Amino acid sequence: RKEVEQDPGPFNVPEGATVAFNCTYSNSASQSFFWYRQDCRKEPKLLMSVYSSGNEDGRFTAQLNRASQYISLLIRDSKLSDSATYLCVVTMGLDMRFGAGTRLTVKP
Amino acid sequence: GAVVSQHPSRVICKSGTSVKIECRSLDFQATTMFWYRQFPKQSLMLMATSNEGSKATYEQGVEKDKFLINHASLTLSTLTVTSAHPEDSSFYICSARDLGSGAGNTIYFGEGSWLTVV
Repeated sequence: RKEVEQDPGPFNVPEGATVAFNCTYSNSASQSFFWYRQDCRKEPKLLMSVYSSGNEDGRFTAQLNRASQYISLLIRDSKLSDSATYLCVVTMGLDMRFGAGTRLTVKP
Repeated sequence: GAVVSQHPSRVICKSGTSVKIECRSLDFQATTMFWYRQFPKQSLMLMATSNEGSKATYEQGVEKDKFLINHASLTLSTLTVTSAHPEDSSFYICSARDLGSGAGNTIYFGEGSWLTVV
């Protein structure tokens, strides 16, 4: 079993749609959780951290479920510019593990 | 804010030669940096963890003699691809975490280096 697993995708959605990604992790001692966005041929960039109480940043909502060991990312009112690969990252101490990424394409 | 700089951004080399990629933390000290490889349309794959002043820790399946990592200072780690072959052509990215006060666990990535071996 992979340490961090994500929905395989790809997700192809129309503009304005709501889309959700899930990510599960195997190490219950994991401490910090993040969603990163990676555009084609570029480095990943931090989208948002994920807090235990859940957090929202504009159209993006992240949630953490420690009991079930998963995190989620919800994107509302999708924009064309949201098209990218979304990576979940789980850390424990200095150790970081990435999910394989979920590709999202938002179409007009 | 904190920045991780990677150089070169693109490099083309001949098969059999060696290529060095540098990763610098510009605004913070990084005792640990990470090196990844990403093939087209695939996920980031952790290659090794670079530790300042000590040997790097390599992931299973990554040849330590082929991918030499040196972390001689708190702001610089280098990855040298030795005796490069066409199958080594890939996108190489480094990252570092700023553990300084107020920065939390933010992970910063270098801009990446495209290596093409011909």
